[in-house]
Amino acid sequence: QSALTQPASVSGSPGQSITISCTGTSSDFDNYDLVSWYLQHPGKAPKLIIYEVTKRPSGVSDRFSGSKSGNAASLTISGLQTEDEAHYYCGSYVGSNTWVFGGGTKLTVL
Amino acid sequence: QVQLQESGPGLVKPSETLSLTCTVFGDPISSNRYYWGWVRQPPGKGLEYIASIYFTGTTYYNSSLKSRVTISMDTSKSQFSLKLSSVTAADTALYYCATYGSGGRYYFDYWGQGTLVTVSS
Repeated sequence: QSALTQPASVSGSPGQSITISCTGTSSDFDNYDLVSWYLQHPGKAPKLIIYEVTKRPSGVSDRFSGSKSGNAASLTISGLQTEDEAHYYCGSYVGSNTWVFGGGTKLTVL
Repeated sequence: QVQLQESGPGLVKPSETLSLTCTVFGDPISSNRYYWGWVRQPPGKGLEYIASIYFTGTTYYNSSLKSRVTISMDTSKSQFSLKLSSVTAADTALYYCATYGSGGRYYFDYWGQGTLVTVSS
């Protein structure tokens, strides 16, 4: 299973919205609405922010939203804040208790 | 709430075996609520799933690493472990232990802080 493809970097200004894409093959996303997104600040462990494509864990801001269409998933962050500056990773369950992840996207808040 | 803590050598020589342990706090490792797993992150790169284990002892492996990886658990110590054999520089990474839930909860919701393992002579 190859890694999912994410843009290396995205940027936005405070208050704006940005979208990070995550693309894979049909076998990465087929039959599974099990895409998750993780936020990672420098030197910290990844933190789950979206699961099952669109769901947010308790305590995660509703400024974070997820979607999926065909072989692509997306994470949208609205009302950008400086603390949103981090790396973001997508992941997809691909069956048999295995996963593939994206290479990560660095979000810069200008 | 589950808390995880990785431990193990930070430096391993090429061709040797990398051994890491994850100690679980807050929930019994024998719980049927979680699977216990390992994910790694090479410097400056993305995440890679390595392996996971259930309280029954059933194990699951990333097919690309399966020939070199063994995951096991010791319920008496509330620990699970990772062994990766025949390591090379490509195995240099931050190694995280992480959990996902049983019952179809296929996402990693608890993570350790990670431990850096460097493969070098």
